[in-house]
Amino acid sequence: QQPVQSPQAVILREGEDAVINCSSSKALYSVHWYRQKHGEAPVFLMILLKGGEQKGHEKISASFNEKKQQSSLYLTASQLSYSGTYFCGTDLFYNQGGKLIFGQGTELSVKP
Amino acid sequence: NAGVTQTPKFQVLKTGQSMTLQCAQDMNHEYMSWYRQDPGMGLRLIHYSVGAGITDQGEVPNGYNVSRSTTEDFPLRLLSAAPSQTSVYFCASSIGPPTYEQYFGPGTRLTVT
Repeated sequence: QQPVQSPQAVILREGEDAVINCSSSKALYSVHWYRQKHGEAPVFLMILLKGGEQKGHEKISASFNEKKQQSSLYLTASQLSYSGTYFCGTDLFYNQGGKLIFGQGTELSVKP
Repeated sequence: NAGVTQTPKFQVLKTGQSMTLQCAQDMNHEYMSWYRQDPGMGLRLIHYSVGAGITDQGEVPNGYNVSRSTTEDFPLRLLSAAPSQTSVYFCASSIGPPTYEQYFGPGTRLTVT
């Protein structure tokens, strides 16, 4: 039931782009994206709801393909501050109120 | 606002001991959750609550108890600690619909020997 993220790790140079994918074997109501820096707590990036539009946050955006039960996180023109582990969290039903099942995470390293 | 606070930050227990991890939030959020984080496993949901007096199990509830007597507090109890419970524990509270954005506490690093 845990969503599968790919890739597991990626190394970028500043200014390069990256895509992180999140796939579920079950139909989803929503997908949440969080970023966690080393030794810190996860921080909310965005949520994509079933039937909703693609979301954006600065140079980070995401899409949600309901039919394929997949979500992708797009990081464009990456900055050093983007380094961290990215988690997708999936919500199977409407109004679960935080009952998220998270993927195993994708570790992103941005080098100068 | 302090946000979500967790105590203690670090704890070492011996096998068989019990303890309570404390979690409090001052944002008046109805929704609260406990997660554990192990290397390579991501965040796994232990228990969650949608309001005072209402709790439910997550993915890995065995060995843990919760109760929610107030909106602010959501303590997690380890009944009889085992080495497999060595982990980092995060408490989170959620803003609710429509986004259910979760705010995480700083975490408690627990070691069971």
